[in-house]
Amino acid sequence: TQLLEQSPQFLSIQEGENLTVYCNSSSVFSSLQWYRQEPGEGPVLLVTVVTGGEVKKLKRLTFQFGDARKDSSLHITAAQPGDTGLYLCAGARGSGGSNYKLTFGKGTLLTVNP
Amino acid sequence: GAVVSQHPSRVICKSGTSVKIECRSLDFQATTMFWYRQFPKQSLMLMATSNEGSKATYEQGVEKDKFLINHASLTLSTLTVTSAHPEDSSFYICSARRDSISDTQYFGPGTRLTVL
Repeated sequence: TQLLEQSPQFLSIQEGENLTVYCNSSSVFSSLQWYRQEPGEGPVLLVTVVTGGEVKKLKRLTFQFGDARKDSSLHITAAQPGDTGLYLCAGARGSGGSNYKLTFGKGTLLTVNP
Repeated sequence: GAVVSQHPSRVICKSGTSVKIECRSLDFQATTMFWYRQFPKQSLMLMATSNEGSKATYEQGVEKDKFLINHASLTLSTLTVTSAHPEDSSFYICSARRDSISDTQYFGPGTRLTVL
């Protein structure tokens, strides 16, 4: 079983602060996805990173894929209350094959207080 | 876009009854769909992988006779929880893979099942 360790599990910060969420594994992934989920809804895709060392930016969110494609980070600058939610990382293996699946981290529950 | 819908969004049923949940890809054909289960404040747990026209592949520990999956077309997969019990109460989420090349899955809005 491949494990994807996500940390921290809970994070409560004040509006305007910066934060980083980490996903680490001993396994190599073909790609890694980051999702955001609000209560009672399905996860919404934020980004997919594919290439080792890749950095993608989405407004105040910066995503990085490790050089070895085993880890990833999500950095949020100047967090806002609207960023509150459950952030999930998911690593993909078996692309193009019948054994393709996503392995999810446990999630980071972020609360941004006004 | 890549939109996935689920129906119903919420269902309450009595213990012993069966419940069917539909997952549809609205604007693309999905050769592969996935069914997940999520407990409160926890991550998603993959239950099974559903391929159009073939039998679903279930994850270890998931009872295939209890959670029946049918993938009848490229835009529809169904999950039937048979003889539901209170411990089956959970948030069930489906996702669809757009093609065999992309790793990205697009998720439905989920179905909240409560078994009394």
